[in-house]
Amino acid sequence: KNEVEQSPQNLTAQEGEFITINCSYSVGISALHWLQQHPGGGIVSLFMLSSGKKKHGRLIATINIQEKHSSLHITASHPRDSAVYICAVSTPATGNQFYFGTGTSLTVIP
Amino acid sequence: DTAVSQTPKYLVTQMGNDKSIKCEQNLGHDTMYWYKQDSKKFLKIMFSYNNKELIINETVPNRFSPKSPDKAHLNLHINSLELGDSAVYFCASSQWLAGYNEQFFGPGTRLTVL
Repeated sequence: KNEVEQSPQNLTAQEGEFITINCSYSVGISALHWLQQHPGGGIVSLFMLSSGKKKHGRLIATINIQEKHSSLHITASHPRDSAVYICAVSTPATGNQFYFGTGTSLTVIP
Repeated sequence: DTAVSQTPKYLVTQMGNDKSIKCEQNLGHDTMYWYKQDSKKFLKIMFSYNNKELIINETVPNRFSPKSPDKAHLNLHINSLELGDSAVYFCASSQWLAGYNEQFFGPGTRLTVL
């Protein structure tokens, strides 16, 4: 079983919809990270969280440490948001290396 | 200026060959990483390295070896390439801050072993 589980695996939304991607983890973490991988392959860090909530533009990330759960929300989704969103956790037990979720492939249709 | 760069971007080679992928970061970070992304797009850590410690994922075959000539570079050497080594390899870097380590990724190197 993977240390990090994401859902859904695939998501198709109409432009303008509110989107939620969920991440659950089973290990003690230093921080949780949300990454974005565009079709061209590059990976960009969106958020790094150890508690609470962060907002950047239309993106909001939350984490509940007690429940070992995080969500990534996209408000007013746009076709340019189409990408793979990856949850990752860094763990002190392994020198803060990342464990990755399997990713959520998001397609936003105009 | 590219923060984390990798060369080559594409690498096609025959089984049994030895190859290297280079990674350089100009962010002044002290920790670098190599990740493998398989055909199902799943990312997995291979190595992390700073000037104090090399941490190796136990599932990585010893045909893979990281080599760091200095803090800004972490190259990946692969000996006796196998078909299953075909994947996209990502380099990343971060500043070691007691776990609060935002990582910056290179563009990836797509390795195809024939």
